[in-house]
Amino acid sequence: GAGVSQSPSNKVTEKGKDVELRCDPISGHTALYWYRQRLGQGLEFLIYFQGNSAPDKSGLPSDRFSAERTGESVSTLTIQRTQQEDSAVYLCASSPEWRGTLNEQFFGPGTRLTVL
Amino acid sequence: GDSVTQMEGPVTLSEEAFLTINCTYTATGYPSLFWYVQYPGEGLQLLLKATKADDKGSNKGFEATYRKETTSFHLEKGSVQVSDSAVYFCALSGTGGFKTIFGAGTRLFVKA
Repeated sequence: GAGVSQSPSNKVTEKGKDVELRCDPISGHTALYWYRQRLGQGLEFLIYFQGNSAPDKSGLPSDRFSAERTGESVSTLTIQRTQQEDSAVYLCASSPEWRGTLNEQFFGPGTRLTVL
Repeated sequence: GDSVTQMEGPVTLSEEAFLTINCTYTATGYPSLFWYVQYPGEGLQLLLKATKADDKGSNKGFEATYRKETTSFHLEKGSVQVSDSAVYFCALSGTGGFKTIFGAGTRLFVKA
């Protein structure tokens, strides 16, 4: 079946503009994650959605970042008033409902954001 | 808090060499452990996993054993190929719920 998809694949924007990134998880996956990966660095957790529970926003770096998810489907990550340090690859992952310790995640190809 | 530490790269090897990428972790409880791989131009994908002590995960010739006594999950392959060139991420999950903690990644270059 289809994997996790993200759009756009690349986004170039000017400092101060708002951007919206989209993630389509695997159908039936109740958990959805957003990560940020700066050049040459590891994954930085941003936010987590699980079903109808309140999202865990503890990884969002500032109030310029927000994310929404409609039910168990599409999610959008919005960055307002973008700054150059926001330049990174933004990765989305989905996972079946968490059961105990196993939590394999399926990643999308990412959106490469460049803020000029 | 929980953390994952993996060896810094890049690691450069010749084809057919033996590979070890070290990974150690700090966690409360009993996490699941993972290795993810990111090939050039592609998204992260799960390489192998282990859910309890002494479990060995294996896939595509790669292996890693969950060592609780040394809190380690080192990745090994007996004979690397050029196509194994990628970034490898060690990760843990499940100690406090959903969060997965990733290491910084180790870039592997394999020369023909």
